[in-house]
Amino acid sequence: QVQLVQSGAEVKTPGASVKVSCKSSGYTFTDYHMHWVRQAPGKGLEWMGWINLNSGDTNYAQTFQGRVAMTRDTSITTAYMEVRGLTSDDTAVYYCARRRVGTPIDYWGQGTLVTVSS
Amino acid sequence: DIQMTQSPSTLSASVGDRVTITCRASQSMSSLLAWYQQKPGKAPKLLIYKTSTLQSGVPSRFSGSGSGTEFTLTISGLQPDDFATYYCQQYNSYPLTFGQGTKVEIK
Repeated sequence: QVQLVQSGAEVKTPGASVKVSCKSSGYTFTDYHMHWVRQAPGKGLEWMGWINLNSGDTNYAQTFQGRVAMTRDTSITTAYMEVRGLTSDDTAVYYCARRRVGTPIDYWGQGTLVTVSS
Repeated sequence: DIQMTQSPSTLSASVGDRVTITCRASQSMSSLLAWYQQKPGKAPKLLIYKTSTLQSGVPSRFSGSGSGTEFTLTISGLQPDDFATYYCQQYNSYPLTFGQGTKVEIK
């Protein structure tokens, strides 16, 4: 069965970086794109961008341009998302979610809570 | 960017009710509209895609319709498990965008 398993919760100080991992299993990793979506406490869903798990090409939402980096390691079917220059506004649950072009996001990771606090 | 606006933000209903949630796009779009259900502390779950196609395993009391700029999610015969927050999302173009969510509460 398809599984996306994310790394555990993180607590960071303002200005730091965080890197979240997302381990995939149960499907052909390189057939998909991995999207990242975040959700601040009590708020809605915010799309951050995607990485083509085959080519490594990326597409980031304008809000995150220059501050986020999405990478992958096909040998261990794991995608990563790093956010730099954290502020308290980045406190959120970060989700990875897979998608094929022209189809909806269909499977999501369990989410990783990132707390930014001094 | 296509902005998605859901209404209402909160909906109070009873078990057995028929409920409808509306999602309006800021510009006309294709049928590439999905609906997700999210429960507290959980990841969203895909319910409907391509406006009206039910995801495998989703109960038939959920249905979707619409075109252009207006789309709806209908739950026919609300069940206790359906009390949750629902989001629409357009995947017609980048950036992917979500509605702000509709919380379905117990009346």
